[in-house]
Amino acid sequence: GAVVSQHPSRVICKSGTSVKIECRSLDFQATTMFWYRQFPKKSLMLMATSNEGSKATYEQGVEKDKFLINHASLTLSTLTVTSAHPEDSSFYICSANTGPTRYEQYFGPGTRLTVT
Amino acid sequence: EDQVTQSPEALRLQEGESSSLNCSYTVSGLRGLFWYRQDPGKGPEFLFTLYSAGEEKEKERLKATLTKKESFLHITAPKPEDSATYLCAGTDYGQNFVFGPGTRLSVLP
Repeated sequence: GAVVSQHPSRVICKSGTSVKIECRSLDFQATTMFWYRQFPKKSLMLMATSNEGSKATYEQGVEKDKFLINHASLTLSTLTVTSAHPEDSSFYICSANTGPTRYEQYFGPGTRLTVT
Repeated sequence: EDQVTQSPEALRLQEGESSSLNCSYTVSGLRGLFWYRQDPGKGPEFLFTLYSAGEEKEKERLKATLTKKESFLHITAPKPEDSATYLCAGTDYGQNFVFGPGTRLSVLP
């Protein structure tokens, strides 16, 4: 149980275009989902927390107009990187927890974004 | 400020050589301490949750323990397939996860 999927696993896009990454909880309903960014050989950096049906809460320093998050249902959250630039190239990972009293997060497999 | 540190940064073991990884935390009102395994190019895989000092959890060759200030991940008789980065994280109320930098474990055959 507690499986989280992400799509796509890899994406290459040109500078100035937008890219959408999907995160789905496959066997549970996720009221809260999280988006992380990870640089090579570094730990995870939380970008934002999204709750179903409400606006995402962004961490300090994360541009909300650049990284659009939509948590439209209890099983789907999307991250859209708008007007991507090479410095946005990174490994993006989503996670979800299984309920309000269960704190452990289950992570998706990640999406490798390369902006050329 | 809530903080999680891990040591060592990297660890090389021979197959069968048991050892421990350390996670020290300063998370006020800690509600949970978590261990994850991450393989290169993949998302972290959940291993354990520890909620209170004195608690222990085991899974195959891994055992996690928790005190009031730190957690240990003990690896008994490791195999090469245990090679990965091990991350620990603490939370104070379930949404604020603070991750440590990780320990890169290499187990040589």
